[in-house]
Amino acid sequence: EVQLVESGGGLVQPGGSLRLSCAAFGFTFSSYAMGWVRQAPGKGLEWVSVVSGSATGTYYADSVKGRFTISRDNSKNTLYLQMNSLRAEDTAVYYCAKMRGWGDYAFDYWGQGTLVTVSS
Amino acid sequence: QTVVTQEPSFSVSPGGTVTLTCGLSSGSVSTSYYPSWYQQTPGQAPRTLIYSTNTRSSGVPDRFSGSILGNKAALTITGAQADDESDYYCVLYMGSGIWVFGGGTNLTVL
Repeated sequence: EVQLVESGGGLVQPGGSLRLSCAAFGFTFSSYAMGWVRQAPGKGLEWVSVVSGSATGTYYADSVKGRFTISRDNSKNTLYLQMNSLRAEDTAVYYCAKMRGWGDYAFDYWGQGTLVTVSS
Repeated sequence: QTVVTQEPSFSVSPGGTVTLTCGLSSGSVSTSYYPSWYQQTPGQAPRTLIYSTNTRSSGVPDRFSGSILGNKAALTITGAQADDESDYYCVLYMGSGIWVFGGGTNLTVL
């Protein structure tokens, strides 16, 4: 059974940093691209970032480019999102999501999310 | 900047059929955008319904179907049930490793 478990969320001041983790279970982690999707309170889903299975390709939404870094450790079956220079508008639940094969360009499994609050 | 458009809200009667759409602020949606659809109830993670325009994800009942209607992607729910009351999001693959979500449709079943 596929499981994705996020951690690392919390309260951080504007300008601060936070690193999210997503532990993956139940599938061959290195064979699949992985991504982060966020949802601000009361708002819709927003795509944040994707990393290829081999970590050779990383992709970002314009809203986070230059501030966030996605990475993965295939030996630990873990996905990361390093978030720097955080802003109030980054406040959201951050979901880790597994992608189907690269040619489908869709997510198939989701974690339960971790809340990031950026506030002074 | 590309905007993916969805109806903000929709209502359907129990047992009825509803079609939600996913368009572009400029241009037409085609299968080349690999439209996918997700269902989300309050406080829960999204659930994948449809990918690659019209392929149902594992375990999704066949009353959910995807298609291209005119210049938009579409999600049709046939025989709506009370527990279909949710938010529905489409996402389009824009190419070059970029995805864009629509604003979501809040579906009421009453």
